[in-house]
Amino acid sequence: KQEVTQIPAALSVPEGENLVLNCSFTDSAIYNLQWFRQDPGKGLTSLLLIQSSQREQTSGRLNASLDKSSGRSTLYIAASQPGDSATYLCAVSFSGAGSYQLTFGKGTKLSVIP
Amino acid sequence: DTAVSQTPKYLVTQMGNDKSIKCEQNLGHDTMYWYKQDSKKFLKIMFSYNNKELIINETVPNRFSPKSPDKAHLNLHINSLELGDSAVYFCASSRYLGTGQETQYFGPGTRLLVL
Repeated sequence: KQEVTQIPAALSVPEGENLVLNCSFTDSAIYNLQWFRQDPGKGLTSLLLIQSSQREQTSGRLNASLDKSSGRSTLYIAASQPGDSATYLCAVSFSGAGSYQLTFGKGTKLSVIP
Repeated sequence: DTAVSQTPKYLVTQMGNDKSIKCEQNLGHDTMYWYKQDSKKFLKIMFSYNNKELIINETVPNRFSPKSPDKAHLNLHINSLELGDSAVYFCASSRYLGTGQETQYFGPGTRLLVL
């Protein structure tokens, strides 16, 4: 069964710290891996998409890496701010399911303390 | 400008009723999705349509019926609502490229509560 796991489920850090969120997946045959942000009561916002052939993607203070062989991805957030507080979801498009079908992890709830 | 919109935002109804949720996207995408996020915040695909044709149909009760009148709309009709249907339902859309570059854009969600 293809699954996506995110650890930890919740994380609290003081403002200004760099932090890493982890995502693991059970099958290395993937189309892509995506990181989303979900604010309370809101929809999901796509942060970064890493294609199967890529090792990392960067957007501003965010950097996502992908290691297919080990089935892992990390989302690095530099110089965290209170506005970064949200739930971060990792989603994988497994090759056997079609490039458009995403399997989500349960998310990591991040709190950045001022 | 709202890219993916859903109506209603909140829906409170009695068990046994029939209800519909509407979704519209103005991004020019050809693929649309319905997801269910349960009380534990786990997000799972339900259906997907590409150019008005069903391409993903996960194991959901047949009380749930998606309808796509055109590429910009994907509605979800639910018959005989049950308590367990209470959840947040998200609509999303993307282009279909088949290359692994399809970023999905999500609507704000419809919070359904069945009493």
